Amino acid sequence: GENVEQHPSTLSVQEGDSAVIKCTYSDSASNYFPWYKQELGKRPQLIIDIRSNVGEKKDQRIAVTLNKTAKHFSLHITETQPEDSAVYFCAATPFSGGYNKLIFGAGTRLAVHP
Amino acid sequence: GAVVSQHPSRVICKSGTSVKIECRSLDFQATTMFWYRQFPKQSLMLMATSNEGSKATYEQGVEKDKFLINHASLTLSTLTVTSAHPEDSSFYICSAKAGSSYEQYFGPGTRLTVT
Repeated sequence: GENVEQHPSTLSVQEGDSAVIKCTYSDSASNYFPWYKQELGKRPQLIIDIRSNVGEKKDQRIAVTLNKTAKHFSLHITETQPEDSAVYFCAATPFSGGYNKLIFGAGTRLAVHP
Repeated sequence: GAVVSQHPSRVICKSGTSVKIECRSLDFQATTMFWYRQFPKQSLMLMATSNEGSKATYEQGVEKDKFLINHASLTLSTLTVTSAHPEDSSFYICSAKAGSSYEQYFGPGTRLTVT
């Protein structure tokens, strides 16, 4: 079945450093790749997404890159701040289910230390 | 815009009873709604996809007779956990999307505790 793998599971950085989280997906037909930030006990919040016809997208300190050939995509956070500390999930929409559903990665717990 | 609410936010029930959770799209018509379950320190696991007016499509391993999903209108979907057991204790989150849009909007979640 469809699968999304995410690494690392935990990431600890100093404030101001960059953080990179990587995901790979199994269904080459997947065409939408969102990233969510989830704080403890709260709903996932979309922070950035990318479609399969785009290789890179940037929004202020956050960027996502997509390599369709290798079936992987990455989240880049620059100039990290303590408020960036949270769990980050990548997701992909597989062809099965008509690109309707999201399959989530296992999550990365990011800790930004002052 | 694109607000999704869930009710209740927390519920405690006794083993063997049933619990209903509501998911509402407040400012858009949700043609498709999704129900996820999230155990502590784990990812969101999709349970089922429901389209307004039709039967839900359940993911492999999810018991459709235990987790009843109804999507009777374009703004409301309900999840009923029947004959709940302690192992059903979890964080249940719904999401909704409109038409052919890719983006899903998540509800705030419902924490279910079965004693």
